Amino acid sequence: GEDVEQSLFLSVREGDSSVINCTYTDSSSTYLYWYKQEPGAGLQLLTYIFSNMDMKQDQRLTVLLNKKDKHLSLRIADTQTGDSAIYFCAEKSPDSNYQLIWGAGTKLIIKP
Amino acid sequence: DVKVTQSSRYLVKRTGEKVFLECVQDMDHENMFWYRQDPGLGLRLIYFSYDVKMKEKGDIPEGYSVSREKKERFSLILESASTNQTSMYLCASSLYGVEQYFGPGTRLTVT
Repeated sequence: GEDVEQSLFLSVREGDSSVINCTYTDSSSTYLYWYKQEPGAGLQLLTYIFSNMDMKQDQRLTVLLNKKDKHLSLRIADTQTGDSAIYFCAEKSPDSNYQLIWGAGTKLIIKP
Repeated sequence: DVKVTQSSRYLVKRTGEKVFLECVQDMDHENMFWYRQDPGLGLRLIYFSYDVKMKEKGDIPEGYSVSREKKERFSLILESASTNQTSMYLCASSLYGVEQYFGPGTRLTVT
């Protein structure tokens, strides 16, 4: 079956690194995504990774993909209060050109 | 920049009312989507459309219908609103089905 799982909450101290984890079930997924939703706003694409890559880095963000374990992670270095948001993991559905399969979202809480 | 707008940020309706949620995108995208977002459940796809007048059911279409008469506009219709349809509704669009661009959401309360 198709399912994307993530923890509902993560709490980190300001300045530390945050690591948000996600597991997916379909090994044929071609694209995996991280979206960010700030309070009261819609979702915004943060980054995505192709399934033939192991890692992608973009400034403070690092995405790691472990295809063997079907595990995706998002690391945010030097976490700031502006990083407080809900982070959604999603994979492109193998059965559709249009649909994404979404995780439930991880709420990142920043402690001062 | 892609812009996806939704007609209302907040809406309060009574049980049994017909409700229209409108979404407009300005980037000539082929695909448009309606999701509902509930705490702990993430995003669930209600309907999507891959062309004008074309629509497909998502995971939870019951109680909803959609209309896409023009490429830029995708409407979600609640024929007879019920309290279990109280939720955040998110519209999105995409060109090639890879990256989806989202509107700010409409928080609907049905009393």
